[in-house]
Amino acid sequence: DTEVTQTPKHLVMGMTNKKSLKCEQHMGHRAMYWYKQKAKKPPELMFVYSYEKLSINESVPSRFSPECPNSSLLNLHLHALQPEDSALYLCASSQKGPGQGRNEKLFFGSGTQLSVL
Amino acid sequence: ILNVEQSPQSLHVQEGDSTNFTCSFPSSNFYALHWYRWETAKSPEALFVMTLNGDEKKKGRISATLNTKEGYSYLYIKGSQPEDSATYLCALFPSNTGKLIFGQGTTLQVKP
Repeated sequence: DTEVTQTPKHLVMGMTNKKSLKCEQHMGHRAMYWYKQKAKKPPELMFVYSYEKLSINESVPSRFSPECPNSSLLNLHLHALQPEDSALYLCASSQKGPGQGRNEKLFFGSGTQLSVL
Repeated sequence: ILNVEQSPQSLHVQEGDSTNFTCSFPSSNFYALHWYRWETAKSPEALFVMTLNGDEKKKGRISATLNTKEGYSYLYIKGSQPEDSATYLCALFPSNTGKLIFGQGTTLQVKP
């Protein structure tokens, strides 16, 4: 199983809603990532978990709250988002953390397309 | 802020044409350069991870070269097929950070 599964595929939410994005992998990877991509722009790193601990937070606003309950799961909790947060949110994993596995490829999910109204 | 630039932004070719596109970056101070292929409605998929020794990488009709001295990588597709239609992303792993920095991609459309 070389898949990274993201749910939901599409999400529409209001600015007062609370929702969560989910990501799952069963490849035994120890690093998991959240990226945000706006149309025509490069994917931008948000968070990295390495061995279930948050290792990188790219100064992301607190309305985005990541969680790694175990080595296979990664969540992104959303609260009080703004319309400018509308984007594609990509999850990825790699075998080791970024400090140890610099030459490793990332395995991506197909993303959650988020619209904030 | 390190900028990874890809050109062209988009490309239309006929089936059977060979094509190439460029990823350029300002520094040779990095650990690896990645190429990913991203088909519409699918997941980005790794094509190559290239390290400082600058090997040419090849996978079927697709190959990539890396020039660390002048700061660029080329991706070549020989005899393009409609199924090659996708966005091709390059990404750099700089030495002083723990993160992959992506370019904005080259979108290739191959017409039958």
